[in-house]
Amino acid sequence: SQTIHQWPATLVQPVGSPLSLECTVEGTSNPNLYWYRQAAGRGLQLLFYSVGIGQISSEVPQNLSASRPQDRQFILSSKKLLLSDSGFYLCAWGPTGHSGANVLTFGAGSRLTVL
Amino acid sequence: GQNIDQPTEMTATEGAIVQINCTYQTSGFNGLFWYQQHAGEAPTFLSYNVLDGLEEKGRFSSFLSRSKGYSYLLLKELQMKDSASYLCAVVDSNYQLIWGAGTKLIIKP
Repeated sequence: SQTIHQWPATLVQPVGSPLSLECTVEGTSNPNLYWYRQAAGRGLQLLFYSVGIGQISSEVPQNLSASRPQDRQFILSSKKLLLSDSGFYLCAWGPTGHSGANVLTFGAGSRLTVL
Repeated sequence: GQNIDQPTEMTATEGAIVQINCTYQTSGFNGLFWYQQHAGEAPTFLSYNVLDGLEEKGRFSSFLSRSKGYSYLLLKELQMKDSASYLCAVVDSNYQLIWGAGTKLIIKP
């Protein structure tokens, strides 16, 4: 069966510090991978998605970046965090290809507080 | 622009029935999802509709009318564990998911 791991679960970082959130998927090959951010009272905001190693699409211009160094590994990074980067970050995977019926499976989430 | 509308919050009584509505305006349509999200946790898949009509899955049912840009999630025999946010999401013509802000459902004993 497929599983998705995301860490760390919680972190508190000072403004201007770097960030690295990691996500790995097991039990599937060539998944589509996603990073979302969820702010209180708002819908999920797609930050990045990837259809393969080294292939990253950015949806929102910001000081965050993503990388996919291995097929089932997806990393969200920042060189210098802003207060506005605080939020709940969710990694998700979906089956390969484009289909309306592709169900996303989410990691447990990472709660980031920037002070 | 693309838009998904859901009520922000609803309250219902344990054992009762509740209907959560979702209306959408998107560029194209390739399906509609409902996800459940407990506080502080990740969303989990509940249902998928792509054709008009009702899909039933145990205590949960989901309805879709594409001509009206409308869906609802029906929860029967409510239990305290159903207290959660319910997210509506539409797959647009580019196979991108457009998410609503979610409906927080509060169940009272």
